[in-house]
Amino acid sequence: AQSVTQPDIHITVSEGASLELRCNYSYGATPYLFWYVQSPGQGLQLLLKYFSGDTLVQGIKGFEAEFKRSQSSFNLRKPSVHWSDAAEYFCAVGASLTGGGNKLTFGTGTQLKVEL
Amino acid sequence: DGGITQSPKYLFRKEGQNVTLSCEQNLNHDAMYWYRQDPGQGLRLIYYSQIVNDFQKGDIAEGYSVSREKKESFPLTVTSAQKNPTAFYLCASSQVPNYGYTFGSGTRLTVV
Repeated sequence: AQSVTQPDIHITVSEGASLELRCNYSYGATPYLFWYVQSPGQGLQLLLKYFSGDTLVQGIKGFEAEFKRSQSSFNLRKPSVHWSDAAEYFCAVGASLTGGGNKLTFGTGTQLKVEL
Repeated sequence: DGGITQSPKYLFRKEGQNVTLSCEQNLNHDAMYWYRQDPGQGLRLIYYSQIVNDFQKGDIAEGYSVSREKKESFPLTVTSAQKNPTAFYLCASSQVPNYGYTFGSGTRLTVV
């Protein structure tokens, strides 16, 4: 069965500093990988996704992620963090369901705090 | 604008009561999902539906029930059999086989 590990529960960075959030996945086939962001009390918003092709994917809000098959990783990066980036970030892996369709399995999330 | 609407935003349930959470989408998506979110546990799949009048159990379906009578609607009932229902519930939809999910803004259920 597929699984996702986000090893960092909390991360604190200064505004303007670079950011990297770690994600490791386990899946037997070619993975479909996602990063979502969640503000307190809200739903999840898709930041970016990887299906195939170029291993460096660009997303919204200046985020990017790099798929590394050899390391089973899909780390999220941003060159310069803004105070509004403070939120919880979830990595997810997609898998096919019996009978068709798909299911996302989520990591436990990383809470990002931005110091001004 | 298209999207997913969940209601109510906050819901309080007494012990032994059934409650129903609403989820409506106007994205014309075929598939809909219910996830439960608890602090430190990520999101766990409760039920999903890929077409009208059909739905499947997810990883934690015990104590929950759903229906899919219309493409736009996928209500979730939290029954009295669910021993620990206090959580944040998220509804999502996707256009099969597209993997992109659109999420609603969630319902926070509290047992009082």
